[in-house]
Amino acid sequence: EVHLVESGGGLVKPGGSLRLSCAASGFTFNNHSMNWVRQAPGKGLEWVSSISSKNSDIFYADSVKGRFSISRNNARNSLYLQMNSLRVEDTATYYCARDGHYDSSGYGLVVDWGQGTLVTVSS
Amino acid sequence: DIVMTQSPDSLAVSLGERATIHCKSSQSVLYVSNNKNYLSWYQQKSGQPPKLLIYWASIRESGVPDRFSGSGSGTDFTLTISSLQPEDVAAYYCQQYYSVPRTFGQGTQVEIK
Repeated sequence: EVHLVESGGGLVKPGGSLRLSCAASGFTFNNHSMNWVRQAPGKGLEWVSSISSKNSDIFYADSVKGRFSISRNNARNSLYLQMNSLRVEDTATYYCARDGHYDSSGYGLVVDWGQGTLVTVSS
Repeated sequence: DIVMTQSPDSLAVSLGERATIHCKSSQSVLYVSNNKNYLSWYQQKSGQPPKLLIYWASIRESGVPDRFSGSGSGTDFTLTISSLQPEDVAAYYCQQYYSVPRTFGQGTQVEIK
């Protein structure tokens, strides 16, 4: 069974930094692209960032580009999100999510989600 | 960016009745070379992470009840719950994975009438 467990959320002041982690188990981590998706309180889902299985392709939403950095350690089955220059509008639950159901080009979609970790940016 | 627009924003349906949610993309998410629509549907119950229901616009994820079905192609898609059950109360989101950023619809809240 796939398990994705996020950690590292908390309360941070505007302009501060936070590093989220996601521990993955139950599947061959280095075979899958991974994502961060966030959800502000009471709002909808927003895709934040994706990283391919071998780190060759990395993408960001415009809203976080230049401030957030996604990375992974395949030896440790772990995904990370370094968040700098945090803003009030970054307040959200951040979900770690695994891709699957790949097409013949290796492009897939989000199949599994963690429970999320809450990041609150407030003075 | 591809904009995904769902309708309605909320929906109240009697138990056992049909619920229909629409999702429209601002540009086609059909990849002609493989004839696949890069469109998925997720269900999110209160206090829980989302759950994948449908992918490639019409393929039901393993374990999803067959009362859930997806249809459509190009820019217009539909999620249908054929006979609403109490456990189907949730928010439903469409997402395109045709291009980055992978955008979501704003969500449709389904409730019991």
